[in-house]
Amino acid sequence: ETGVTQTPRHLVMGMTNKKSLKCEQHLGHNAMYWYKQSAKKPLELMFVYSLEERVENNSVPSRFSPECPNSSHLFLHLHTLQPEDSALYLCASSQRTGREQYFGPGTRLTVT
Amino acid sequence: DQQVKQNSPSLSVQEGRISILNCDYTNSMFDYFLWYKKYPAEGPTFLISISSIKDKNEDGRFTVFLNKSAKHLSLHIVPSQPGDSAVYFCAASPFNQAGTALIFGKGTTLSVSS
Repeated sequence: ETGVTQTPRHLVMGMTNKKSLKCEQHLGHNAMYWYKQSAKKPLELMFVYSLEERVENNSVPSRFSPECPNSSHLFLHLHTLQPEDSALYLCASSQRTGREQYFGPGTRLTVT
Repeated sequence: DQQVKQNSPSLSVQEGRISILNCDYTNSMFDYFLWYKKYPAEGPTFLISISSIKDKNEDGRFTVFLNKSAKHLSLHIVPSQPGDSAVYFCAASPFNQAGTALIFGKGTTLSVSS
């Protein structure tokens, strides 16, 4: 595997379910990110981890819970989501924050 | 209020011609700018970047120009090819601010016809 991988690629979940999105980077980077992309909106930053420490939480509802167990892995735990949370969730990594980020293919999430 | 603006949602160009994608920003603390390309059902792909100490950076068919006084940057693609058809995002980063990710524009959809 190379670059940034995300699983699953597609996810349909009910509002009472609990699920997790997984991201793995094979680039030796020190920073990882979660973004949300909704239709006709800019990419919205959700969380930033630098050296496994959360350095930014962009006013994201608590039903989204990130976890970074090491510098290569990032999770986004989801529970009691709303239909408006349906979007493309993108993971990215970079050597350091504020510079070139490399994105995974995204998880297309649909909340029913 | 959007700090990075791409005012043209779409652009259509003929194959072989120049594509010019524009981006404006409002925050004078931005010191690094990037362009990303995104195909449907894929994550954005990094294309080219420029530091605020430069006014031009070139990589093959792609050139980015930065006009700091106007807070404006542009991406030129010459010659345009049908495979360039995608959504292009402009992004910016504030000066040396730890823990800060990129701020993206809404994107411009480029269509290159053969």
